[in-house]
Amino acid sequence: GAVVSQHPSRVICKSGTSVKIECRSLDFQATTMFWYRQFPKQSLMLMATSNEGSKATYEQGVEKDKFLINHASLTLSTLTVTSAHPEDSSFYICSARDLASPLHFGNGTRLTVT
Amino acid sequence: TQLLEQSPQFLSIQEGENLTVYCNSSSVFSSLQWYRQEPGEGPVLLVTVVTGGEVKKLKRLTFQFGDARKDSSLHITAAQPGDTGLYLCAGVGGTYKYIFGTGTRLKVLA
Repeated sequence: GAVVSQHPSRVICKSGTSVKIECRSLDFQATTMFWYRQFPKQSLMLMATSNEGSKATYEQGVEKDKFLINHASLTLSTLTVTSAHPEDSSFYICSARDLASPLHFGNGTRLTVT
Repeated sequence: TQLLEQSPQFLSIQEGENLTVYCNSSSVFSSLQWYRQEPGEGPVLLVTVVTGGEVKKLKRLTFQFGDARKDSSLHITAAQPGDTGLYLCAGVGGTYKYIFGTGTRLKVLA
């Protein structure tokens, strides 16, 4: 079946630095990728939708300058958390779909900002 | 803003018991999906329902989509410890945007 690879699975960074998370579709072309944030024991909150070759659409309340999303190809989207702060610590999950399939999820990235 | 409310939020039951999880919204969705998520992992798709009134069975799990495509339920028969996890419904709206429900955390005790 379709596989979405997310990297890294865990990252610890210092406050003020930036962190890049990669989301790759391994065996299909992802026309759309989604980025979610999940707080402990809570549901997934959609942050943004990215379509290959165009600007991401951010959900209300999500800072686009803080969470930079790039979807440069049909198999890769990246989320960069800029100038990270401890409150950005969370579980970030990407998902991807092509025209005919449901969502396929990555295994998530646990970000800890110290 | 489309919201999907799940109930109950938490459920702790003994092995062998039955349970039902509800997913309700005031919005109509073109389809609805159910996922199960283990700690530290991404959600895993269980089922997709598309037609109002549709019922799908997956072994001991029965999924139903409401006639008006605004709500859904997940029924588990004879729950097992392996069913423990976070259950999430997700409604698919316009532009294929997936809206996730508030989640139901299930714990099945042996």
